[in-house]
Amino acid sequence: AQSVTQLDSQVPVFEEAPVELRCNYSSSVSVYLFWYVQYPNQGLQLLLKYLSGSTLVKGINGFEAEFNKSQTSFHLRKPSVHISDTAEYFCAVSDTGNEKLTFGTGTRLTIIP
Amino acid sequence: DAGVIQSPRHEVTEMGQEVTLRCKPISGHDYLFWYRQTMMRGLELLIYFNNNVPIDDSGMPEDRFSAKMPNASFSTLKIQPSEPRDSAVYFCASSLLLIEAFFGQGTRLTVV
Repeated sequence: AQSVTQLDSQVPVFEEAPVELRCNYSSSVSVYLFWYVQYPNQGLQLLLKYLSGSTLVKGINGFEAEFNKSQTSFHLRKPSVHISDTAEYFCAVSDTGNEKLTFGTGTRLTIIP
Repeated sequence: DAGVIQSPRHEVTEMGQEVTLRCKPISGHDYLFWYRQTMMRGLELLIYFNNNVPIDDSGMPEDRFSAKMPNASFSTLKIQPSEPRDSAVYFCASSLLLIEAFFGQGTRLTVV
C-alpha cells in the first residue's frame, strides 16, 4: 500500500524568501506524484505532476518539484514567495496502473509580509 | 468547460435526516472520485467510479453512506441517516485516465 508523509504541518515564510515543502512517499511499485494547492474555501488545484521523464518538474505559479527515487521524496520549492501563495499544499501519490490517489495531511504555508 | 460542479455548496441538516450531495463531472472524463476532508483525518477517498461503475468503495465509512453514478454526467453521495460526525467538506473530482484530477468547490456539510 502506498502512503505519503508531509512532515511539516505549518510553514511560515517571509515574503520574497525561498520555501521548500517536504514530501516523502512509500510504495512498492513505480509511482505518479502530484502537488495540489487549496486556497481558503476552494477545491484543490493541481500545481504540478511527475509521471515519468525528467525528475525536475515545473508547475504553475513558479513552483517546481524534484523527484528523488532513492530518497523517495518529492519536495516542492519556490525561490521567492508572494502573499498570494498563502494556502494549504497537498502532496499525493498513485501507483502507476492503479487509479487511487493517496494524499498527505497537507502543509499550511503562511507568508509573512 | 465549467469544471466539476457540486451542489449544494453548503448544507446544514439535523441529525437523522437524509442528505444528498450532487456532482457533475467534466464532460468526457471517465473517472469520478468522492473525497471527504476533515481537520482530524485530512482528505479521505470514499469511493471512485470508472465509466459509471463503482470500482472501490472501501473508503465509505459505513452503510449509512451510498454513492451512485447513473450516467456519465451525474453522481450522488447520500448519507442516511446523517450524524454530527459526518460534518465535513465533501469533494467530488473527475479525471481522464488519472493524468490530472480536477476538483469541485466542495460541499460543506454541517449536521447538528
